[in-house]
Amino acid sequence: AQSVTQLDSQVPVFEEAPVELRCNYSSSVSVYLFWYVQYPNQGLQLLLKYLSGSTLVKGINGFEAEFNKSQTSFHLRKPSVHISDTAEYFCAVSAGGTSYGKLTFGQGTILTVHP
Amino acid sequence: GAVVSQHPSWVICKSGTSVKIECRSLDFQATTMFWYRQFPKQSLMLMATSNEGSKATYEQGVEKDKFLINHASLTLSTLTVTSAHPEDSSFYICSAHRWGEETQYFGPGTRLLVL
Repeated sequence: AQSVTQLDSQVPVFEEAPVELRCNYSSSVSVYLFWYVQYPNQGLQLLLKYLSGSTLVKGINGFEAEFNKSQTSFHLRKPSVHISDTAEYFCAVSAGGTSYGKLTFGQGTILTVHP
Repeated sequence: GAVVSQHPSWVICKSGTSVKIECRSLDFQATTMFWYRQFPKQSLMLMATSNEGSKATYEQGVEKDKFLINHASLTLSTLTVTSAHPEDSSFYICSAHRWGEETQYFGPGTRLLVL
């Protein structure tokens, strides 16, 4: 079984400042890692994903994340945030085999960007 | 693109009635669809995995007789909440898994309010 921990439930930041949203996971098997964004009353939109290869993954809207296997982390970063980045962000993992495709989500981090 | 729609987006019903929610993959075939439930200020919890042409697989603690899932075609899965009660009020989100991709595409969600 997998589990995901998002270390910060809320992250306030000023516009144009950098931000990091932290995510740690645990799993007994290799996993695929994802970050999703959810705007109020909407479904989830994929920001980026790590499947294999380069540990630095670039996504949409200027976000990137780095997979660190030794620290079992997949932190999300953006060098300069905008007001429009205000949303809830979810880190998720999935494993192959019989659990193929099943996502386990973290608790979510609410990012609030202040002018 | 990979677009997933849900219908309805909002539903209010009386306690004891049944509600059907549709999830459609609009521009791709989805061999697997997933149904999630999200309570206020909480993360998404997987309810069941729906495979086209076979019975759904329910997660532990989810009543299969209460949450009926039908995946009759490669583009449509339905979730029926039978004899709904106020505690079933939640945000229901589906996702579709496109064959060969390690990514789920999420619908916009359906907010259910049971009075």
